[in-house]
Amino acid sequence: AQSVSQHNHHVILSEAASLELGCNYSYGGTVNLFWYVQYPGQHLQLLLKYFSGDPLVKGIKGFEAEFIKSKFSFNLRKPSVQWSDTAEYFCAVRPSGTYKYIFGTGTRLKVLA
Amino acid sequence: NAGVTQTPKFQVLKTGQSMTLQCAQDMNHNSMYWYRQDPGMGLRLIYYSASEGTTDKGEVPNGYNVSRLNKREFSLRLESAAPSQTSVYFCASSDQGGYTDTQYFGPGTRLTVL
Repeated sequence: AQSVSQHNHHVILSEAASLELGCNYSYGGTVNLFWYVQYPGQHLQLLLKYFSGDPLVKGIKGFEAEFIKSKFSFNLRKPSVQWSDTAEYFCAVRPSGTYKYIFGTGTRLKVLA
Repeated sequence: NAGVTQTPKFQVLKTGQSMTLQCAQDMNHNSMYWYRQDPGMGLRLIYYSASEGTTDKGEVPNGYNVSRLNKREFSLRLESAAPSQTSVYFCASSDQGGYTDTQYFGPGTRLTVL
């Protein structure tokens, strides 16, 4: 079955620390890849997405992600986190030819001021 | 432009009661989705509707039914609520294809089944 794995369930960082959240998916075909974020008390919203082209994509608020096809990975990074980055982060994929999005279990990030 | 709206925001049911969660979008999107979010389990797809007039099961459809009333509205019905259906329910819409392929989520409905 198709699945998305997020290895870090809870991450605690101090402000200015660097962030990397792992995401791996199990699907052999073409996929569109996404990171969504849910800030406390807010809707889920898109952080960034990858469809094709440059495997390093940049999103909002200084986030970026790198698609490594050989590793089936789409890791999220930010060089220097802020307290306002405290949120839950979800990786998702949509296999080509389907309408379904498959989400990972999420990573709760807490940034200490 | 309200995006995706959901009603109600909160609901408490007793086991065996029924209810319908309403969802509407004003972005002219073709596809709509219902998810549930449980701690440690992420978002799990209950049902989706690729376009008006079609609905399909997702990962966890048991105990739920859906209706795509028109292009704007997609409702989720619990016929006989069970404690295992205590969760936060999110509706989403998307306009797949091209460069868009982004899901827009509603604010969620927090449901407790006693």
